[in-house]
Amino acid sequence: NAGVTQTPKFQVLKTGQSMTLQCAQDMNHEYMSWYRQDPGMGLRLIHYSVGAGITDQGEVPNGYNVSRSTTEDFPLRLLSAAPSQTSVYFCASSSTGAKMWEQYFGPGTRLTVT
Amino acid sequence: AQRVTQPEKLLSVFKGAPVELKCNYSYSGSPELFWYVQYSRQRLQLLLRHISRESIKGFTADLNKGETSFHLKKPFAQEEDSAMYYCALNGKGAQKLVFGQGTRLTINP
Repeated sequence: NAGVTQTPKFQVLKTGQSMTLQCAQDMNHEYMSWYRQDPGMGLRLIHYSVGAGITDQGEVPNGYNVSRSTTEDFPLRLLSAAPSQTSVYFCASSSTGAKMWEQYFGPGTRLTVT
Repeated sequence: AQRVTQPEKLLSVFKGAPVELKCNYSYSGSPELFWYVQYSRQRLQLLLRHISRESIKGFTADLNKGETSFHLKKPFAQEEDSAMYYCALNGKGAQKLVFGQGTRLTINP
């Protein structure tokens, strides 16, 4: 199993550009989420999904959109990039069974907005 | 509101010395608490969970509801313990982790 994969690993955008960060998991996990990691602030939840077709906002959702058309994929869209969105983005997944409490993280995407 | 506070951004100890990484939380119910670790060039991964009450890689953490703390301890630090450590809280049924700011632990030889 590849676990949770994220692409790209690095990305540089100009202010106002849009892009999609990809996240996929092959563990048949129902729950998926996106976090951003900023120095001194830990990881903050952006959006999450409890299953295909169901998404909800986390702590810092502004400027980001998500959709969940399949169990495997959970892309994160930046509609109009801003320098404040410079961060490292992590995707995570977990099951809804006995180990629902353990989240598996992807390797991260480092995004710079100039 | 759910909140996790890790008061130390950086912690440096010598190999063989005891280590304690502090974590305090704010939550009105009965929380689930976790420690996650990120070693250099590796993914964030679960270290331990308070309910399991187990020792992982020599680390233990006890939930103290009176002090709302979940400190991570290891009696004898090893160089391979150098990493970023995050305390996290999962509110009841939420599966939405709330992370602390993280503590970068450095073990000096």
